[in-house]
Amino acid sequence: DVKVTQSSRYLVKRTGEKVFLECVQDMDHENMFWYRQDPGLGLRLIYFSYDVKMKEKGDIPEGYSVSREKKERFSLILESASTNQTSMYLCASSPVRRGENNEQFFGPGTRLTVL
Amino acid sequence: GEDVEQSLFLSVREGDSSVINCTYTDSSSTYLYWYKQEPGAGLQLLTYIFSNMDMKQDQRLTVLLNKKDKHLSLRIADTQTGDSAIYFCALLNDYKLSFGAGTTVTVRA
Repeated sequence: DVKVTQSSRYLVKRTGEKVFLECVQDMDHENMFWYRQDPGLGLRLIYFSYDVKMKEKGDIPEGYSVSREKKERFSLILESASTNQTSMYLCASSPVRRGENNEQFFGPGTRLTVL
Repeated sequence: GEDVEQSLFLSVREGDSSVINCTYTDSSSTYLYWYKQEPGAGLQLLTYIFSNMDMKQDQRLTVLLNKKDKHLSLRIADTQTGDSAIYFCALLNDYKLSFGAGTTVTVRA
């Protein structure tokens, strides 16, 4: 079974703190994703990585950065956390199979509260 | 990203069928998915359909795709209390998914 794990289920931080959210997948997937989930808005893509050290901005990258130093690990960084970044953060990974179903597999999520 | 719309809430009686609808704007998606999210959990893939298909059945789940109207639906037969969750439709384009807002399904006795 594909497993995507996230470092914390719940996190509480203060405004201005630097926050790291870690995600690890064990299926040797090329693609990894960070989403945030807010009620009534669904999932919105923050950043996407298609290879080690490669990244691409999603729909809402402002206030976030990412790091992918190893294939299995994708980190989301909030340089200076703000209250409007309080949200559920979901990590996902997917393989690259041209012309086939490239299903995304999701981690359990990290609920971040910024006070 | 692409616009994907779903109604936010659905209430259904146990044993009845549930139908969750999704409309979208971009017709170039190759695969269309339905994900389920139970309280406090991540997303779990329920089923998917390839864009050249009209229908797919998988046990209690039936997916219908109307490409002309850009409409995707998920029917759950014999809805059970364990089906209470948020259901997301998602469309795949170039390895990226565009999600709807999610439909919260509540199953009442």
